[in-house]
Amino acid sequence: DAKTTQPPSMDCAEGRAANLPCNHSTISGNEYVYWYRQIHSQGPQYIIHGLKNNETNEMASLIITEDRKSSTLILPHATLRDTAVYYCIVRPSGGSQGNLIFGKGTKLSVKP
Amino acid sequence: KAGVTQTPRYLIKTRGQQVTLSCSPISGHRSVSWYQQTPGQGLQFLFEYFSETQRNKGNFPGRFSGRQFSNSRSEMNVSTLELGDSALYLCASSRTNVGETQYFGPGTRLLVL
Repeated sequence: DAKTTQPPSMDCAEGRAANLPCNHSTISGNEYVYWYRQIHSQGPQYIIHGLKNNETNEMASLIITEDRKSSTLILPHATLRDTAVYYCIVRPSGGSQGNLIFGKGTKLSVKP
Repeated sequence: KAGVTQTPRYLIKTRGQQVTLSCSPISGHRSVSWYQQTPGQGLQFLFEYFSETQRNKGNFPGRFSGRQFSNSRSEMNVSTLELGDSALYLCASSRTNVGETQYFGPGTRLLVL
């Protein structure tokens, strides 16, 4: 079973920041938080991942709480093309284990 | 750098037939994982190959099998197709270990009639 809890759906106005929450209260010390998104019927797209520090790349920012029990993915200026299902996944990094376990994700709808 | 490619993109088969799907990983990536996505079960892990060896396997029947070639390209095979095998089959590659960031291909959409 997935080790994360996400809201099933969220709306966001175009041009505004989209903040997608994720709870992972049972995360272990060696587990990373990964975010992927899947635009309708395409392959999941890697967005970002982090261990305990906040991370930023050209797509998004990842904010992880100090106790690591929750995180937030931030899309700073959402566009219509960001409409997708967003998956938050926790997994160990490195090694020969760690296939991705997907939950149901959050369906983000960006509206004009 | 080219991404993960999968062929064919769409496939229609009938019950009882078998099917082979192909995946070419990102250049330099040696780990290839396969996933099945259905509306009812979501995205589920099938198996993972590294250096031509299956390292991990999900909870799927033996009708689902795969292999990896020396150039890291991978194929998966489903024998005796059932209606419930209709799904999007996704391939993901990572540099060395499955625990590293995985990058997905566009998927193969299989319809079993």
